[in-house]
Amino acid sequence: SYELTQPPSVSVSPGQTARITCSGDGLPKKYAYWYQQKSGQAPVLVIYEDTKRPSEIPERLSGSSSGTMATLTISGAQMDDEADYYCYSIDSSGNPVFGGGTKLTVL
Amino acid sequence: EVQLLESGGGLVQPGGSLRLSCAASGFTFNNYGMSWVRQAPGKGLEWVSSITGTGGRTDYRDSVKGRFTISRDNSQNTMHLQMDSLRVEDTAVYYCARGASWLDKYWGQGVLVTVSS
Repeated sequence: SYELTQPPSVSVSPGQTARITCSGDGLPKKYAYWYQQKSGQAPVLVIYEDTKRPSEIPERLSGSSSGTMATLTISGAQMDDEADYYCYSIDSSGNPVFGGGTKLTVL
Repeated sequence: EVQLLESGGGLVQPGGSLRLSCAASGFTFNNYGMSWVRQAPGKGLEWVSSITGTGGRTDYRDSVKGRFTISRDNSQNTMHLQMDSLRVEDTAVYYCARGASWLDKYWGQGVLVTVSS
């Protein structure tokens, strides 16, 4: 079955840049999406179609994709960015597949 | 304003059944596929099932095939997930989300399903 692999955790100091990666064999052909989930809340879409950002999402969050890896970059990280981040794409059957999630700690 | 509101969660014994509903508003419901995504306590997101806008195609993850049935009533702007033969490992918060293959930014707040004796 298709898998997306993320690091379990990433730490960053306030004001620094954090990068969260997502690897999957299908990513060269399929878009990556990113969701942010804060404790006890529903996921929020922060990046879609590899690089696009919904209008309500801060510009310090950006996405990129190259080959089998997609990356979510948080520039000038703030305490408010502490959350779990999930990448997702679709498999060969057209069904959603999520990465295992990355816990971002800002300290 | 797009809104998705889940209902129907609760505590059920292993082997029991539960029916979740997702009431949609603020968009033309039958133009969109819809999905259920779940999250077990302390775990990650997991796609469960999707249905196209007309209801003509449904898809399920392997672990729920034959036990869960997704459906929709476009006249009532509502989607359902009938869950039978529930297992302890089905315990999770269940979210409805707009989109079938590609989920977009509209998700409900989730409903808790607990399968326990």
